[in-house]
Amino acid sequence: QLQLQESGPGLVKPSETLSLTCAVSGVSISGTNYYWGWVRQPPGRGLEWIGSIYNSGNTYYNPSLKSRLTITVDTSKNEFSLKLRSVTAADTALYSCATENHSYGGGDFRGPFDDWGQGTLVTVSS
Amino acid sequence: SYELTQPPSVSVSPGQTARITCSGDGLPKQYAYWYQQKSGQAPVVIMYKDSERPSGIPERFSGSSSGTTVTLTISGVQAEDEADYYCQSLDNSGAWVFGGGTKLTVL
Repeated sequence: QLQLQESGPGLVKPSETLSLTCAVSGVSISGTNYYWGWVRQPPGRGLEWIGSIYNSGNTYYNPSLKSRLTITVDTSKNEFSLKLRSVTAADTALYSCATENHSYGGGDFRGPFDDWGQGTLVTVSS
Repeated sequence: SYELTQPPSVSVSPGQTARITCSGDGLPKQYAYWYQQKSGQAPVVIMYKDSERPSGIPERFSGSSSGTTVTLTISGVQAEDEADYYCQSLDNSGAWVFGGGTKLTVL
């Protein structure tokens, strides 16, 4: 059974870097044809896709975040990570990692987010 | 940047039909997906590739597509269907876009 668990600081100061890791259990990242993604949701607001990464390291990023964003994968640790630089209060949100289910998708191993971590609330404040 | 537009809210009485629309210029070329998110829970995929329903999703949920608009229809709405609904699709660079979400209220 695939499980995802986010970890990282719950409080980040403005202008600093937000770093989160998603630990994957139940499947091997290197053995699957999944894209692994990050989605965030500010309190009381809608979903925003952050980016997705394949086990090869191929990435897709949200254009509005791309200049501040790096997503990496560590297949030896079976985890993937997010770094968002120069954060502001607007980056305060529940950050969740999730898998793209390509069996529901239209091709290229992309698909909607079908398995989710529980999410971790990150607050940007001094 | 590419946008998907949803109505902020839809209200229906139990047993009636709710229709939630999602509009975007790219929808004729890219599939749309729908999520249901109940309070405090992770989103759940309830429709994929415009009109395909995952196993375990009740038959009262259906999807359709026409031009630049996709529609999620919930027939015979039940109290348990009260939730936020989001559409999602890819832009032409491979980036996911979510609609702003629609709050379904069951009166």
